[in-house]
Amino acid sequence: EVRLVESGGGLVQPGGSLRLSCAASGFTFHNYWMNWVRQAPGKGLEWVANMNQDGSDKYYVDSLKGRFTISRDNAKSTLYLQVSSLRVEDTAVYYCARGFDYNLDYWGQGTLVTVSS
Amino acid sequence: QTVVTQEPSLSVSPGGTVTLTCGLSSGSVSTSHYCSWHQQTPGQAPRSLIYRTNIRSSGVPDRFSGSILGNKAALTITGAQADDECDYYCVLQMSSGIWVFGGGTKVTVL
Repeated sequence: EVRLVESGGGLVQPGGSLRLSCAASGFTFHNYWMNWVRQAPGKGLEWVANMNQDGSDKYYVDSLKGRFTISRDNAKSTLYLQVSSLRVEDTAVYYCARGFDYNLDYWGQGTLVTVSS
Repeated sequence: QTVVTQEPSLSVSPGGTVTLTCGLSSGSVSTSHYCSWHQQTPGQAPRSLIYRTNIRSSGVPDRFSGSILGNKAALTITGAQADDECDYYCVLQMSSGIWVFGGGTKVTVL
């Protein structure tokens, strides 16, 4: 069974940083692209970033480039998102999703990041 | 800046048919955008319904179908059921490699 479990969210002050993690199981992690998608409270989904199988190729939504960094550790079957210089508007549930055949085929349950003073 | 458009809300009668669309603020949606559709009930993670425009994900009932209608991608629900009442999002892959979600459509079954 494919499982994606996000962690690392929490309450952080504006300007702060967090590292989000997504632990994968039930599939061969290093064979897949992986994605981060976020959803602000009461709002729609926003694709954030993705990374290819060996980490050599990455894409980001333009508005977040420079503040967010995606990475992965294939030995640990874990995807990461380093989020820095956080703003109130970054408050959201952050989901990881597996990429396969131009699809986000499995999603985790998400981790909530709240940016507030 | 690319904007992906969806109807904010649609309603359908039980057993009826409803079509949701996914367009671009500039240009047409084609199969090269690899449109996928995702369903989300309140408080839950999204679930993949359709990918590559018209392929149903594993376990998705055949009352859900995807297509290209004119210059937009479309998701059609045929024989709507009460538990189809939720939010639906399309996402397109752009030529730059990034993905862009539409704003979502809230479907009401009444």
